[in-house]
This record gives sequence, structure tokens and C-alpha cells, in this order.
Amino acid sequence: DAGVIQSPRHEVTEMGQEVTLRCKPISGHDYLFWYRQTMMRGLELLIYFNNNVPIDDSGMPEDRFSAKMPNASFSTLKIQPSEPRDSAVYFCASSLGDNEKLFFGSGTQLSVL
Amino acid sequence: AQSVSQHNHHVILSEAASLELGCNYSYGGTVNLFWYVQYPGQHLQLLLKYFSGDPLVKGIKGFEAEFIKSKFSFNLRKPSVQWSDTAEYFCAVTGGSYIPTFGRGTSLIVHP
Repeated sequence: DAGVIQSPRHEVTEMGQEVTLRCKPISGHDYLFWYRQTMMRGLELLIYFNNNVPIDDSGMPEDRFSAKMPNASFSTLKIQPSEPRDSAVYFCASSLGDNEKLFFGSGTQLSVL
Repeated sequence: AQSVSQHNHHVILSEAASLELGCNYSYGGTVNLFWYVQYPGQHLQLLLKYFSGDPLVKGIKGFEAEFIKSKFSFNLRKPSVQWSDTAEYFCAVTGGSYIPTFGRGTSLIVHP
């Protein structure tokens, strides 16, 4: 298995633009997580899905953030409009079940100018 | 809700020095505990985990961690670090929600 695949690896955009981050979890994994990593706040859980259904999105910072999982092999995290304070590394992770270890993707380094 | 505190944000050591990274959690019930490592330019990967049984857990690359329930701690140790251990280390806990909560991470730099 190729592991969790995220794209793009790097994204540089201007304030106000829409940003879409993509994630392909490991096949057979029931859980998918979106995390954001910053120097100030460390690794924060934004949202997670179980069997494609969003379970907890309380970590999503604002209405500008939205996430979808249309099928078991694909998820997106969208920021519209983007702001400089959204600059961070966004990680997607998947797991076989709750309380199982997470497999992380390589992350998307987002810079909003 | 569960939370995790990693007290050391930055640690700098010389090769062969001993390492101990602190991790404390807050949750009153049964927990499962994890240490993840992120090497430069790579994604996070599991270093070791504790679910039950022997509170001294051994992981990859000579790392170990000890669960001390009375202290709500799960400190990571290695008797002799190497330059290749330079990385960011994250402690995580799952409690009632079974979804891991991560600490802020500790950046370890090992000088050759």
C-alpha cells in the first residue's frame, strides 16, 4: 500500500483565494482525520470521519473551513476565503478503527500571502 | 475532555547523552497512550504505544516509555541518543472519545 497520499505537497496562494487540500486514505481504513500543525498550537484535530461520515468538526476554526468525504478513498479540506493566519502544515491521517494507531500523510505546507 | 501536556518544547543534546521527554495527560478514565515521531521532511509515524499490561513499553530504535498512572505521565526515554534521532516527538492520548489528542510536540536536536 502506498500509504496516505496528500496533495499538493506545497501550496502558496494569496489572501482571499480558495484552497483545496486532498487526501487519499489507506484502503480499508474506516477513520480519516484532518490535523493542522503550527508552531504556536502544535498538532490540532480539525475534523474526523468514520465511514465517510463527519463525526466531530468542533476543531474546524471557522466557517471558512469545510471538509468532505464523498467516498471511502477521497477527502478534501477547503478553505474559502483563505487568510494569512491559515498558513500551516495540514496533515491527513487514517486508521483501521478508533483507538488504533494513525497513519499520516506527508502533509500539505500551506502559505497564504 | 482529554488533554496532553509536553513540557519540553526544545531539547538539545550531544550524541550518547540520555534522553527523557515528559508527557502528562489529563483524563480520569482508562487511557491509551502513544508516542509519534516526525523526522525532518517526513510524516509522523508511530514510535510506541501503551494499551494495557506492562507499563514499561519498548518501541523502535531503542526508545521506551513508562506509564505511571498515579502521575498521569508517559515519559519517553532513550539511554543513548544518536544524531539520527533528531526529530519532533509527539505524545498522544485516547480517552473517552477514542480519538487521539496530541501534545504540542518536542523538538529534539542531537549534535554529532
